[in-house]
Amino acid sequence: GIQVEQSPPDLILQEGANSTLRCNFSDSVNNLQWFHQNPWGQLINLFYIPSGTKQNGRLSATTVATERYSLLYISSSQTTDSGVYFCAVEDNFNKFYFGSGTKLNVKP
Amino acid sequence: NAGVTQTPKFRILKIGQSMTLQCTQDMNHNYMYWYRQDPGMGLKLIYYSVGAGITDKGEVPNGYNVSRSTTEDFPLRLELAAPSQTSVYFCASSYSSLAETQYFGPGTRLLVL
Repeated sequence: GIQVEQSPPDLILQEGANSTLRCNFSDSVNNLQWFHQNPWGQLINLFYIPSGTKQNGRLSATTVATERYSLLYISSSQTTDSGVYFCAVEDNFNKFYFGSGTKLNVKP
Repeated sequence: NAGVTQTPKFRILKIGQSMTLQCTQDMNHNYMYWYRQDPGMGLKLIYYSVGAGITDKGEVPNGYNVSRSTTEDFPLRLELAAPSQTSVYFCASSYSSLAETQYFGPGTRLLVL
């Protein structure tokens, strides 16, 4: 299967700071998504982004498919951004592979 | 729409017992997925389905079975539960696997003792 590596594994930010999360994957993919899992375990899709750049409020994401990586930018972080951010990729056989996540803690 | 619902929320099983985790979606999605999430880890795909009557194995299918008799329902069956199956199980759905996002249920926390 496709290997998905996320960095950093843990991140502590002061409220208002910016951050960049990275996702590297080992093979070409049909689909790439970023998810946020809040401290209560709920998973929410943030972006579907197999290539290019998208923005949604304070969050934006960029995927460079030819170089097999994606970046998630969080600007002006808030305490509600805390949780775990997962990158997931889909191979040519409709199978999804998740990274181990980046655990973000935003302090007030 | 209720979205993706899962039952039960929490269950304790004894080693060797069997159970079925229920998953239902009311969004008329074709694709449905079962994942498990072990503590501090990402999700691993157990089984998936691209439509009623069609299922296929994911990354970690051993010890599980699924069926997809309707578009709405995608139950996950555990036969002969083992401690290694202690995990949180998430069901998800999407209209298709391409250009569509996955919507997740709230999860089922399973403890096998």
